[in-house]
Amino acid sequence: RKEVEQDPGPFNVPEGATVAFNCTYSNSASQSFFWYRQDCRKEPKLLMSVYSSGNEDGRFTAQLNRASQYISLLIRDSKLSDSATYLCVVNFITGNQFYFGTGTSLTVIP
Amino acid sequence: DTGVSQNPRHKITKRGQNVTFRCDPISEHNRLYWYRQTLGQGPEFLTYFQNEAQLEKSRLLSDRFSAERPKGSFSTLEIQRTEQGDSAMYLCASTPFSGTDTQYFGPGTRLTVL
Repeated sequence: RKEVEQDPGPFNVPEGATVAFNCTYSNSASQSFFWYRQDCRKEPKLLMSVYSSGNEDGRFTAQLNRASQYISLLIRDSKLSDSATYLCVVNFITGNQFYFGTGTSLTVIP
Repeated sequence: DTGVSQNPRHKITKRGQNVTFRCDPISEHNRLYWYRQTLGQGPEFLTYFQNEAQLEKSRLLSDRFSAERPKGSFSTLEIQRTEQGDSAMYLCASTPFSGTDTQYFGPGTRLTVL
């Protein structure tokens, strides 16, 4: 089983739609959680960290469910510029490796 | 520009040749990571350094791969006797201190092995 699993999509949604991505992780001792965004042929960039209490940044909301070992990302009022691949990232407490999911591809359609 | 830089940005080589990539992290970031990414996959951890010490290596990292960070600043990743399966984007990232910190990625080096 992979350390981090994501639905690769693709997700094709119209502008203004709300879209949600989920990600599951295998190690219950995981310590930190992130969502990164990666544009085509570019490097990943941090979108937001994910905290136990959940957190929101504008149109983006991240949630963590430790009991079920998944994290989610909700994007409201999708913009064309949100089109990218969204990577789920988990850092395990026992080491210092960051484990990336395969990424979920999002295309926002005019 | 004070971000992570990588050189070269692109490298085309013939199978069996050795290649070396360089990563310059953000100044004063003491942790440096190397990843490999292939099409349709997320970055795959290769190795990481804290200052000049290489603290962890992926089990997937064959003996043909070696990385150094001699002075705790820039790092090099060398691949010996390249194979076609080594074709990928090689990404470098740095963090200020803790393993839980945000990673800042460089633009990557795209390797093509013919």
